[in-house]
Amino acid sequence: DAKTTQPPSMDCAEGRAANLPCNHSTISGNEYVYWYRQIHSQGPQYIIHGLKNNETNEMASLIITEDRKSSTLILPHATLRDTAVYYCIVRANQGGKLIFGQGTELSVKP
Amino acid sequence: DGGITQSPKYLFRKEGQNVTLSCEQNLNHDAMYWYRQDPGQGLRLIYYSQIVNDFQKGDIAEGYSVSREKKESFPLTVTSAQKNPTAFYLCASEDRVNTEAFFGQGTRLTVV
Repeated sequence: DAKTTQPPSMDCAEGRAANLPCNHSTISGNEYVYWYRQIHSQGPQYIIHGLKNNETNEMASLIITEDRKSSTLILPHATLRDTAVYYCIVRANQGGKLIFGQGTELSVKP
Repeated sequence: DGGITQSPKYLFRKEGQNVTLSCEQNLNHDAMYWYRQDPGQGLRLIYYSQIVNDFQKGDIAEGYSVSREKKESFPLTVTSAQKNPTAFYLCASEDRVNTEAFFGQGTRLTVV
């Protein structure tokens, strides 16, 4: 499974868009990009995943660069409840084990 | 309601004792995982199982053991060989296509 690099922490003002970057320069052609988040002392929660096209759901948008070496998770209107650690994971769609890195600690401030 | 359940939420044990953490899911998921999380750190993979009666070591399997006799259950035993067992333990499950993993609420183990 490819390794990912994320900034350790970011701040965002409440109501503004939060853009969380992730580098995955060694990603393989059959590997997807997944995002999870973990609110303090809870189990992680799935957010979104994609292969090469941009994806959007009710929680967030995922933008993957054309060369697939990096991606950005966008929370369009961050709220205080979005304060969490966000994990970017790259893995195969079938059979790939789920490995977490250190993630980005996002603090949404009033 | 479908979901994944870990029990107990808090567990205290004396040093030198083995302890088993429970993880049950009724989501009909093939794959199950166990992770350990220390304060301020990310999740580290202990063991995972892609199918019944089969499991593989993760990055930090030493001092732990698992079994997967039923699809619904993936218990983790923390043995006395684990040097620093006090931690937050998380269990997860997902289907074979790996679309979305579901996590339990965790068990906080304290060994005194």
